[in-house]
Amino acid sequence: NAGVTQTPKFQVLKTGQSMTLQCAQDMNHEYMSWYRQDPGMGLRLIHYSVGAGITDQGEVPNGYNVSRSTTEDFPLRLLSAAPSQTSVYFCASSRQGAGYEQYFGPGTRLTVT
Amino acid sequence: GQNIDQPTEMTATEGAIVQINCTYQTSGFNGLFWYQQHAGEAPTFLSYNVLDGLEEKGRFSSFLSRSKGYSYLLLKELQMKDSASYLCAVTGNNRLAFGKGNQVVVIP
Repeated sequence: NAGVTQTPKFQVLKTGQSMTLQCAQDMNHEYMSWYRQDPGMGLRLIHYSVGAGITDQGEVPNGYNVSRSTTEDFPLRLLSAAPSQTSVYFCASSRQGAGYEQYFGPGTRLTVT
Repeated sequence: GQNIDQPTEMTATEGAIVQINCTYQTSGFNGLFWYQQHAGEAPTFLSYNVLDGLEEKGRFSSFLSRSKGYSYLLLKELQMKDSASYLCAVTGNNRLAFGKGNQVVVIP
């Protein structure tokens, strides 16, 4: 099993550009989520999904969109990048929900100039 | 909403014992996780407490008191590889909320 994979590992964007961070898991997990991690702020939940076709907002959803058309994939879209979105983004999955062990991807380091 | 508080940094000597505390205030509590995160890497699971009491797993133990909104992670026989950030996270309403993490530096 590859576990949770994320692409790209690094990305530099200009303000106003859009892009999609990819996340995939091969463990048949129902629950997937996106976090951002900033120095001194800890991990903050952006969006999550309890299964294919179902998504919900987390703590900091503004400026991000998600969709979950398959169990395996949970892409995160930045609509119009801003310097405040410079961060490390982690995708995670678990068997059934937030109360199960979360398996994290390796992260995407995004810089917006 | 959720409020999770952890001290930011501590230094300890190889072979020693260190206790990392976490206090929380949350609506809809289901359980509390501890994760370990080495610099530049993803978090990895250490423990999950749902009921009050102590859970022991090798050199790591985690304690929970739901009435006090308090947990601690105990690391015994510290090794250099234990130098990492330790994240406390509470789960409720199908969401996970993390504290800011506690950086543990192990010195020889």
